[in-house]
Amino acid sequence: ELKVEQNPLFLSMQEGKNYTIYCNYSTTSDRLYWYRQDPGKSLESLFVLLSNGAVKQEGRLMASLDTKARLSTLHITAAVHDLSATYFCAPGGGAGGTSYGKLTFGQGTILTVHP
Amino acid sequence: EPEVTQTPSHQVTQMGQEVILRCVPISNHLYFYWYRQILGQKVEFLVSFYNNEISEKSEIFDDQFSVERPDGSNFTLKIRSTKLEDSAMYFCASSEADGGILFEQYFGPGTRLTVT
Repeated sequence: ELKVEQNPLFLSMQEGKNYTIYCNYSTTSDRLYWYRQDPGKSLESLFVLLSNGAVKQEGRLMASLDTKARLSTLHITAAVHDLSATYFCAPGGGAGGTSYGKLTFGQGTILTVHP
Repeated sequence: EPEVTQTPSHQVTQMGQEVILRCVPISNHLYFYWYRQILGQKVEFLVSFYNNEISEKSEIFDDQFSVERPDGSNFTLKIRSTKLEDSAMYFCASSEADGGILFEQYFGPGTRLTVT
């Protein structure tokens, strides 16, 4: 059974600072997704990482994937208040397509950015 | 921009009653999913659906749950006899596929189910 662990679970940052959220998962997965969720809202897709070494950037967020280490990171650069939200990582699929489409979500990281 | 829609946004029901949650996936998507999120907890996979049949389901998706695509646009989740612990936000999602590679899943706004 795929287990996904994010850390930290709570992150309080000052505006302008940098930080990284880590996502470890327990079994081989050929893709990984990052989602953002605002309170009471749905899940917004941020990044889709499809291969080992994949790196994607959008604004102040950059995500990377190391499938050998079973690790993905979400790096926040020069945080601003608008980034306050809960961030989830979700490995999807499995080796040989054994779990086609199913996403297994981490616990989520609640990010609060203070002025 | 195409989006997944869900109705109702909030459903209150009594324990033991049947509920049907409705979703309209993005029109050219072929894969459909239901997830749920109990308040304050992580998002949990319930079921995936492709080509008019269930592809995979989780342990949560027991005999009380069923899914259906009754027509070309709707995708429904039925809970036959609701329990208090079924109270959660239920998200529908859909994704397209190209050459066997699944793209990201787009989530609907969710239906908040409250069982009293």
